[in-house]
Amino acid sequence: AQSVTQLGSHVSVSEGALVLLRCNYSSSVPPYLFWYVQYPNQGLQLLLKYTSAATLVKGINGFEAEFKKSETSFHLTKPSAHMSDAAEYFCAVITSGGYNKLIFGAGTRLAVHP
Amino acid sequence: NAGVTQTPKFQVLKTGQSMTLQCAQDMNHEYMSWYRQDPGMGLRLIHYSVGAGITDQGEVPNGYNVSRSTTEDFPLRLLSAAPSQTSVYFCASRAGTGGSGELFFGEGSRLTVL
Repeated sequence: AQSVTQLGSHVSVSEGALVLLRCNYSSSVPPYLFWYVQYPNQGLQLLLKYTSAATLVKGINGFEAEFKKSETSFHLTKPSAHMSDAAEYFCAVITSGGYNKLIFGAGTRLAVHP
Repeated sequence: NAGVTQTPKFQVLKTGQSMTLQCAQDMNHEYMSWYRQDPGMGLRLIHYSVGAGITDQGEVPNGYNVSRSTTEDFPLRLLSAAPSQTSVYFCASRAGTGGSGELFFGEGSRLTVL
């Protein structure tokens, strides 16, 4: 069964520093991969998605992610963190065998310090 | 545009009581789903529906019932609440059933079972 693993439940960076949130997936077929963000007391919203087109995917708010099949990874990056990026980030996977089941990772809480 | 609307936002139940969490979307989305969010576990899929009259189980369906009589509404029923069902519940919808589309989330319903 498909799954995602997010390495690090908490990540802390300084404002202006690189943000790197790690996600590895397991899937026997090419997956669709997503990153969602959740701000306090809100629902989730889509940051970006990979659907087998370009391996480098650009999303909202300056985030991007690179699909690496050889490493089964889909890490999320942003060159320069902003205070407003503090939130919880979720990686999610869906495969061709289960289009209707989007499976989420446990989440990574990002803190940004001045 | 209201998007996905969940009610109630907060609810406290006693063990053994029943209740229904309401979810409505005004985007004419075919696909609707319910997730529960627990600390350290991300979001887990409870039930989903690909259209009126069609529902199926997700990862953690036990103790919950759903039905889909209209495109707009997808209520989640707890038949006999247990403390293990204390959680934050999210309803989400998506256009089509192809899997690559964005999920739109409601703001969540926080349920406490005493």
